[in-house]
Amino acid sequence: GIQVEQSPPDLILQEGANSTLRCNFSDSVNNLQWFHQNPWGQLINLFYIPSGTKQNGRLSATTVATERYSLLYISSSQTTDSGVYFCAVGSNTGNQFYFGTGTSLTVIP
Amino acid sequence: NAGVTQTPKFQVLKTGQSMTLQCAQDMNHEYMSWYRQDPGMGLRLIHYSVGAGITDQGEVPNGYNVSRSTTEDFPLRLLSAAPSQTSVYFCASSLTTHRRDTQYFGPGTRLTVL
Repeated sequence: GIQVEQSPPDLILQEGANSTLRCNFSDSVNNLQWFHQNPWGQLINLFYIPSGTKQNGRLSATTVATERYSLLYISSSQTTDSGVYFCAVGSNTGNQFYFGTGTSLTVIP
Repeated sequence: NAGVTQTPKFQVLKTGQSMTLQCAQDMNHEYMSWYRQDPGMGLRLIHYSVGAGITDQGEVPNGYNVSRSTTEDFPLRLLSAAPSQTSVYFCASSLTTHRRDTQYFGPGTRLTVL
C-alpha cells in the first residue's frame, strides 16, 4: 500500500498564529483529502485536493502531485481549530484509501 | 439527509462474542467502507464496497466480514471478538468509485472487547 507520513505529529499554537501541516506520500495518487477530527471524534472533510491549490476561509491546501506532497495552511488559528488533522490518499490502481497518522493541533487562547 | 449513520455508538463485548456494527447512508453513494482507528495511528481500512453485491478487503480484514445487499447499508460483522479488536470503528461513503472525491464519515462506534 501507499505510505502516508504527516508532520509534525504534534503542534501547539497561540490563538492567532499561523501553521503549516505537511503530508508526504510514497506513490502516485488519484485522490487526496484533508480531514479534521474534532475533540468529539467526528471526521470532517476539509479539502479534496489531488493537485493544485484550494482555499476555504482561513484554511488553504496545496498538493504537488509530481513531488508527492501536500500542505495544509491554517491562518489566524482559533481554539475551534484544535483536533487532529489527517491526510488520506487514494491509489491510482485499486479502490483503497490510506490515512496518515495525523497532526494533533492544540490552539491555546 | 441524515448522511452516514452508525449504530451502536458504544458497545462492550466479551471475548468470543459476535456482533454486527450497522452503517447506513441515504445519499445514494456507490462507495462505502469501514475503518478502525487505534490510539496513535491513523485510520486503517478494513473492508470496502464499490456497489451493492461487491465487497473487497482492505489493509486489516482478518476477523471481520461484510456484505452489501443494498446501496444504503453496509454492516460489519465481528465473528468472534478478540481484545485486539478494541477500537473505534468508522463507516464512510462517497458518491462514486471512479473519483471518490469527498468521503463522508459516520460518528463512529467505540467498541471494547474484554
